[in-house]
Amino acid sequence: NAGVTQTPKFRVLKTGQSMTLLCAQDMNHEYMYWYRQDPGMGLRLIHYSVGEGTTAKGEVPDGYNVSRLKKQNFLLGLESAAPSQTSVYFCASSYSGTADTQYFGPGTRLTVL
Amino acid sequence: AQTVTQSQPEMSVQEAETVTLSCTYDTSESDYYLFWYKQPPSRQMILVIRQEAYKQQNATENRFSVNFQKAAKSFSLKISDSQLGDAAMYFCAMIGGNKLVFGAGTILRVKS
Repeated sequence: NAGVTQTPKFRVLKTGQSMTLLCAQDMNHEYMYWYRQDPGMGLRLIHYSVGEGTTAKGEVPDGYNVSRLKKQNFLLGLESAAPSQTSVYFCASSYSGTADTQYFGPGTRLTVL
Repeated sequence: AQTVTQSQPEMSVQEAETVTLSCTYDTSESDYYLFWYKQPPSRQMILVIRQEAYKQQNATENRFSVNFQKAAKSFSLKISDSQLGDAAMYFCAMIGGNKLVFGAGTILRVKS
């Protein structure tokens, strides 16, 4: 039981490049989330999904797209990376929404030059 | 909109002593949940403790306990018998309506 895993752990991009971050969970959780963590600001919700095939916007969705084609995977895409997207990205999952604890992946450190 | 405020950017505690981390929140939801997460240098987010807003009794997990004051919208974390392994960033968070909202965090340093 690996919990929540994220690929890759580190990445450096040039402005304008694209990339996809992969999150996988093996806990059969319905809900999955993508957050970004910036210094002094805590974690902010980018997008989330309440089930396979669904996605919804969070607090800071601009510049990101997501897909949940399989229940266990939640992909975060950057189509044209910008330096403002330099951050640490965390994926999380929970069995249900409001009441359940969210379990986090180890994070991906992304630098956009 | 939900907000979570942690007014202490950094705290220090001597090993074996007790420290309290402050958190206040604001929400219009009647049903919500409060959490404290720990983030050590490894970056992994670890759940420390959770409190259901409808419960009056304060949650406790071993050396960690909370002081939940619903009317004041306050949710502080008390760490007793502090250990070197408690050194980390601590985040207060609340969830209501599917969205988890975090405070900015408090860095806890433990002195030996």
